[in-house]
Amino acid sequence: GAGVSQSPSNKVTEKGKDVELRCDPISGHTALYWYRQSLGQGLEFLIYFQGNSAPDKSGLPSDRFSAERTGGSVSTLTIQRTQQEDSAVYLCASSLYGNSETQYFGPGTRLLVL
Amino acid sequence: AQRVTQPEKLLSVFKGAPVELKCNYSYSGSPELFWYVQYSRQRLQLLLRHISRESIKGFTADLNKGETSFHLKKPFAQEEDSAMYYCALLNTGGFKTIFGAGTRLFVKA
Repeated sequence: GAGVSQSPSNKVTEKGKDVELRCDPISGHTALYWYRQSLGQGLEFLIYFQGNSAPDKSGLPSDRFSAERTGGSVSTLTIQRTQQEDSAVYLCASSLYGNSETQYFGPGTRLLVL
Repeated sequence: AQRVTQPEKLLSVFKGAPVELKCNYSYSGSPELFWYVQYSRQRLQLLLRHISRESIKGFTADLNKGETSFHLKKPFAQEEDSAMYYCALLNTGGFKTIFGAGTRLFVKA
């Protein structure tokens, strides 16, 4: 079946604008993760969903970042009032049940804030 | 604090030479450790995990709790091994995976 998909693949926005990034996990996967990959950095954990709930939001860098997941499937990551330091690749991953299950990654959304 | 350190940003070896990508971690409990790989223009994917104790594509990694290390090794590197490699730690009972900064492996012909 299809893997994890993300849209858009690239997004250029102006500082101060809001952006929405979308993730479609593998069908049937209950766990969903968002990561951020800045230039020269490793992957930074942002948030984890089990079903529609997010038991761990500790990685969200500021209150400008929020995420939701509906129907146990699609998730959106919203960044309000974007700043230049938000420029990065945002990766989504899903796994069957979570915890130590293998995570399957999407292709990422490359965000550039001018 | 939980941390994963990959001291080498770039590692260049000749084809057929042994390769070792270093990973050290900081974690107070019993971690689960992984190696992920990203080949050029492909998605990040799991290479191996320490609990499986398997060899994937000739790569092995042994967890050394005394040295808090999980180095990735291959006795004879191949050109197709050229990729970005990330070491990662999952805190037991949690869902937060902590990644290292990654090491780019370049295997020269």
